[in-house]
Amino acid sequence: SAVISQKPSRDICQRGTSLTIQCQVDSQVTMMFWYRQQPGQSLTLIATANQGSEATYESGFVIDKFPISRPNLTFSTLTVSNMSPEDSSIYLCSVEGFSGSEQFFGPGTRLTVL
Amino acid sequence: AQTVTQSQPEMSVQEAETVTLSCTYDTSESDYYLFWYKQPPSRQMILVIRQEAYKQQNATENRFSVNFQKAAKSFSLKISDSQLGDAAMYFCAYRSAGSYGKLTFGQGTILTVHP
Repeated sequence: SAVISQKPSRDICQRGTSLTIQCQVDSQVTMMFWYRQQPGQSLTLIATANQGSEATYESGFVIDKFPISRPNLTFSTLTVSNMSPEDSSIYLCSVEGFSGSEQFFGPGTRLTVL
Repeated sequence: AQTVTQSQPEMSVQEAETVTLSCTYDTSESDYYLFWYKQPPSRQMILVIRQEAYKQQNATENRFSVNFQKAAKSFSLKISDSQLGDAAMYFCAYRSAGSYGKLTFGQGTILTVHP
């Protein structure tokens, strides 16, 4: 399985500001995924990031709010823009394993917006 | 759209005993994958077990096994010889075989293990 790191591991932010979350993988991967886990809830896919192309967003998520970069095959960033308390969540990145079916997750970023 | 339902918000088990977590899903597809993930308080998502829909044989990984009933769209997880370290939130997840990789998760089941 891939080794995935995320920065920061947690942050407390003021409303109206933006936070960029980094995801680093120890091997080259085609697709990277960003999920949101609201408090006490399940995971919901925000978007899929392919290197060299625009991210594909799921229903209910827009690029202006969650811009994503994918500059190379081992790195991606997710920005949470103009934050409100409703954005307080755990944000996780993931990549597919070599079998092409299961996904492996980073340790997550716990975001609290005041 | 696919949906995944975990009807047990919480379950508990005595150490060394066996517990079964339930999961049902709804899909019109014939080829897909099903997963169980474990999320301890550290919030790290850990893959527990994987099942391919085209395989009739139930997947097993050490103390973890599944009961996959394709016609009933049921995918339960059995944990044998439960250990204190098994305490976590468990998520059932679905992935279409032909999709770009999106996982659809159930609501989760909190498992408590009593010593």
